[in-house]
Amino acid sequence: NAGVTQTPKFQVLKTGQSMTLQCAQDMNHEYMSWYRQDPGMGLRLIHYSVGAGITDQGEVPNGYNVSRSTTEDFPLRLLSAAPSQTSVYFCASMPGGGYEQYFGPGTRLTVT
Amino acid sequence: AQSVTQLDSHVSVSEGTPVLLRCNYSSSYSPSLFWYVQHPNKGLQLLLKYTSAATLVKGINGFEAEFKKSETSFHLTKPSAHMSDAAEYFCVVRYLNFGNEKLTFGTGTRLTIIP
Repeated sequence: NAGVTQTPKFQVLKTGQSMTLQCAQDMNHEYMSWYRQDPGMGLRLIHYSVGAGITDQGEVPNGYNVSRSTTEDFPLRLLSAAPSQTSVYFCASMPGGGYEQYFGPGTRLTVT
Repeated sequence: AQSVTQLDSHVSVSEGTPVLLRCNYSSSYSPSLFWYVQHPNKGLQLLLKYTSAATLVKGINGFEAEFKKSETSFHLTKPSAHMSDAAEYFCVVRYLNFGNEKLTFGTGTRLTIIP
């Protein structure tokens, strides 16, 4: 199993550009989520999904969209990038009823 | 509301000496608690979890944590630090929000090991 994969590893955007961060898992996990990590703030939940076709907002959803058309994929879309979205983004998955979230390696995004 | 407070943003210990990383939590009911470790430029890895079974929980790499309800604490310890333990550690509380799983992360403790 590849586990949780994220692409790209690094990305630089200009203010106002849009892009999609990709996340995929091959463990048939029901639950997937996106976090952003900023210095001194731990990880904050952006959006999550409890299964294909079901998504919900987390703590800091503004400026981000998600969809979950398959169990495996959970892309995160930045509609109009802002410098405040400069961060490291982590995708995670977990089996239904489980306790441990499995994290991807992260995407480091810089918005100039 | 559920929250976690990691009492130290940075801890330095000498190799071979004990490690103590402190975490206090706030939860309106019996929580599930976790410690995750993040090595530089890596994702997060689960060290150990407490899910209302034994209060002393053993994890990977010689780490353990004790759940103390009276003190609302879940401190992480290791008897003897190794250079490979240098990383950032996150205390996490799990709760259900309208039937959906949510995790709240602490702000992290960076552990430095002095040779």
